[in-house]
Amino acid sequence: GQNIDQPTEMTATEGAIVQINCTYQTSGFNGLFWYQQHAGEAPTFLSYNVLDGLEEKGRFSSFLSRSKGYSYLLLKELQMKDSASYLCAVRDSNYQLIWGAGTKLIIKP
Amino acid sequence: EAQVTQNPRYLITVTGKKLTVTCSQNMNHEYMSWYRQDPGLGLRQIYYSMNVEVTDKGDVPEGYKVSRKEKRNFPLILESPSPNQTSLYFCATSLTGTSGEETQYFGPGTRLLVL
Repeated sequence: GQNIDQPTEMTATEGAIVQINCTYQTSGFNGLFWYQQHAGEAPTFLSYNVLDGLEEKGRFSSFLSRSKGYSYLLLKELQMKDSASYLCAVRDSNYQLIWGAGTKLIIKP
Repeated sequence: EAQVTQNPRYLITVTGKKLTVTCSQNMNHEYMSWYRQDPGLGLRQIYYSMNVEVTDKGDVPEGYKVSRKEKRNFPLILESPSPNQTSLYFCATSLTGTSGEETQYFGPGTRLLVL
């Protein structure tokens, strides 16, 4: 079966750095997405990786290793508004998105 | 402004009373999808549509119906709702659904409570 694993919850301090990991086992691979979802709101796109390596976008970076079935989202200079759930999703060989359960990130002052 | 709209945003109903949640997009996207989101389970796909008159089951289609008569609209129908369909529902769209890097755009969500 297809599976995506992420930690359920993480806590970090304002101004610090946090890394949210995602491991996946899917039927084929056509890219990995990270979405941000504030409580009660719709998910919004953060990043897309299809090749190995690091993609940097401002305070957020996303890394992919296809051989290890592994990705992480790195958030720097954490702000209180970064408190949200972060969803990892993989597009499989049929171009369907397989979603992880999400990681709830709590930022403390 | 490019957007995905859902109605209603909140709904309380009773078991067995048919309901429809509408989804509309103005981006001329071919691909549309319905998800439900429950605590600890993440987003689970109910149905999706690759284009007008083309719909397919997702991972959890039981108890739901959809139709795609026009490109912009993709309603979700619960013929006889049950309490286990209490959930947060999202409609999502993307350009074609056949490209790896396409992002999905989500509607604001519909919170449904079935008593």
